[in-house]
Amino acid sequence: AQSVTQLGSHVSVSEGALVLLRCNYSSSVPPYLFWYVQYPNQGLQLLLKYTTGATLVKGINGFEAEFKKSETSFHLTKPSAHMSDAAEYFCALFYTGGFKTIFGAGTRLFVKA
Amino acid sequence: SAVISQKPSRDICQRGTSLTIQCQVDSQVTMMFWYRQQPGQSLTLIATANQGSEATYESGFVIDKFPISRPNLTFSTLTVSNMSPEDSSIYLCSVREGGEYEQYFGPGTRLTVT
Repeated sequence: AQSVTQLGSHVSVSEGALVLLRCNYSSSVPPYLFWYVQYPNQGLQLLLKYTTGATLVKGINGFEAEFKKSETSFHLTKPSAHMSDAAEYFCALFYTGGFKTIFGAGTRLFVKA
Repeated sequence: SAVISQKPSRDICQRGTSLTIQCQVDSQVTMMFWYRQQPGQSLTLIATANQGSEATYESGFVIDKFPISRPNLTFSTLTVSNMSPEDSSIYLCSVREGGEYEQYFGPGTRLTVT
């Protein structure tokens, strides 16, 4: 069965510190993976995506994620957190078998001054 | 990428009434989706709305409670019928463009049922 697990419902970092949001997936077919960000009172916005090819993908706002098949992971990182990064982050998997997107539970990122 | 607008942005409704949420896309798209996001929760897919056919509902959601219309490739509506406080949630419209796998989302409709 296809699934997405985000480790940690809340993550708190200091401004300027490394951001690491963890995502593991389960898929019986090669996955298409995404990170979305949701700012307060807004819809979801695509941050980055992995489909095929390069396993390190770069997204908007300085975020990047690395697809590691051996670890079934797609963790999101940013070298230096900004206050404006405070938001909810969702990892998602597009399942070609059912042609559906499966969303993780979300991780709320807090950035301390 | 598609730009999506939703109306209303928020509403407070009485128990037992119905609310229709509109979703407008700035380009023609084949697949449109309606999600519910309860406070502090992830997204739950209500149904997939394809133009010219009946919407496909996910387990736990029924047409009588959440009727959907999709009259053309740029517009859809979701009605929340006979509302109860448990329907208080954010309702999100989303689309997927042909040949791509990522989705684009509207800003959401924040519904409170009293």
